[in-house]
Amino acid sequence: EIVMTQSPATLSVSPGERATLSCRASQSVSSSLAWYQQKPGQAPRLLISGASTRATGIPARFSGSGSGTEFTLTISSLQSEDFAVYYCQQYNNWPRTFGQGTKVEIK
Amino acid sequence: EVQLVESGGGLVQPGGSLRLSCAASGFTFSSSAMSWVRQAPGKGLEWVSAISGSDDAIYYTDSVEGRFTISRDNSKNTLYLQMNSLRAEDTAVYFCARPAALPPNWFDPWGQGTLVTVSS
Repeated sequence: EIVMTQSPATLSVSPGERATLSCRASQSVSSSLAWYQQKPGQAPRLLISGASTRATGIPARFSGSGSGTEFTLTISSLQSEDFAVYYCQQYNNWPRTFGQGTKVEIK
Repeated sequence: EVQLVESGGGLVQPGGSLRLSCAASGFTFSSSAMSWVRQAPGKGLEWVSAISGSDDAIYYTDSVEGRFTISRDNSKNTLYLQMNSLRAEDTAVYFCARPAALPPNWFDPWGQGTLVTVSS
């Protein structure tokens, strides 16, 4: 099973600042990597697939990069609605696995 | 608008059974693969099972294989998860979600989830 490790566990950022979230896979997953946003009491929402392709309706301030084992989600200028937990997920190997999440909180 | 609405969660004793449902609308359900993903309280996400549109391909994660059964009724636009021999570690919010393809890749959209609590 591929283990997805996200860092940091919690990221404190001021509104308007840039946030950089990391996701590392225990072995290569090529570009088969998705990112999700989850707010308290809500379902996850797809942000990024294929490591860098934004989902429909996702603002351009969200961007994904990386391949192989190292991936990054960048939020260029944090808005109030972006404070949430973010998960990465690989779909290159079986079973599909998620990271443990990074909580982005208001500084 | 694409919508997924889960139901059927509740409190069940260890060893018991429960059937979850997911009502789908806003898209061609019979052409869509579907999946279940769960989230234990305060924890991360775990993919559970997936089924093709015509239910000729079914997948399970190892921890539920032999205990859970995924199925669908395309005439009712509904996805099901029959859960037997439930264990405390099955306690979670269960989300239905639509993978873009099978084998499941990414999931979009997701339902709001239904809570399953396994406890005596």
